Amino acid sequence: EAQVTQNPRYLITVTGKKLTVTCSQNMNHEYMSWYRQDPGLGLRQIYYSMNVEVTDKGDVPEGYKVSRKEKRNFPLILESPSPNQTSLYFCASSPGQGANTGELFFGEGSRLTVL
Amino acid sequence: AQKVTQAQTEISVVEKEDVTLDCVYETRDTTYYLFWYKQPPSGELVFLIRRNSFDEQNEISGRYSWNFQKSTSSFNFTITASQVVDSAVYFCALSEANNNNDMRFGAGTRLTVKP
Repeated sequence: EAQVTQNPRYLITVTGKKLTVTCSQNMNHEYMSWYRQDPGLGLRQIYYSMNVEVTDKGDVPEGYKVSRKEKRNFPLILESPSPNQTSLYFCASSPGQGANTGELFFGEGSRLTVL
Repeated sequence: AQKVTQAQTEISVVEKEDVTLDCVYETRDTTYYLFWYKQPPSGELVFLIRRNSFDEQNEISGRYSWNFQKSTSSFNFTITASQVVDSAVYFCALSEANNNNDMRFGAGTRLTVKP
């Protein structure tokens, strides 16, 4: 089954404790991205990747890191989480070269709470 | 800069009523893509439609229809004979051809369909 898989789905952590949210897709998509969803703000892009070893900042990259060492994986790293990073996070992938070449396939979301 | 406005934060209707969700966008590009996504209570994001800026034909898919009007920069979504299963948050999104790494989402409209 074609899918984007995120882990963990739910996480409660404390300020400053490094964490990684994994994202993996099995559709051989080149484009992947991370979004955060906050009430009243919709989805905002954190980082995106056009291909292996090619990543760039989106609208709200502060406090986040990513890597793209393999085509299928695009982990989101919070080196020192803070309460303002409490949010619902979505990983997405798309066929082709960008976000608009087709539909975005989203993971199920990861709800993160930073105390 | 690209921007999407969904002025309706919440809408409540009774089953079988028709309902229209508004989406107004801003862009300087002549080539762009518009999307609608559905987020049911379970939380996943489901692709509904992708439309490019050169195709102003209205689209109908079952009970769903979309009205794209470049003159008013709007891409409205109508559900005919609404059902309880249509209850969800609906997001409109815009991506410019010259900036295909970025998909800009509106804040979303929460639709509640009551039996």
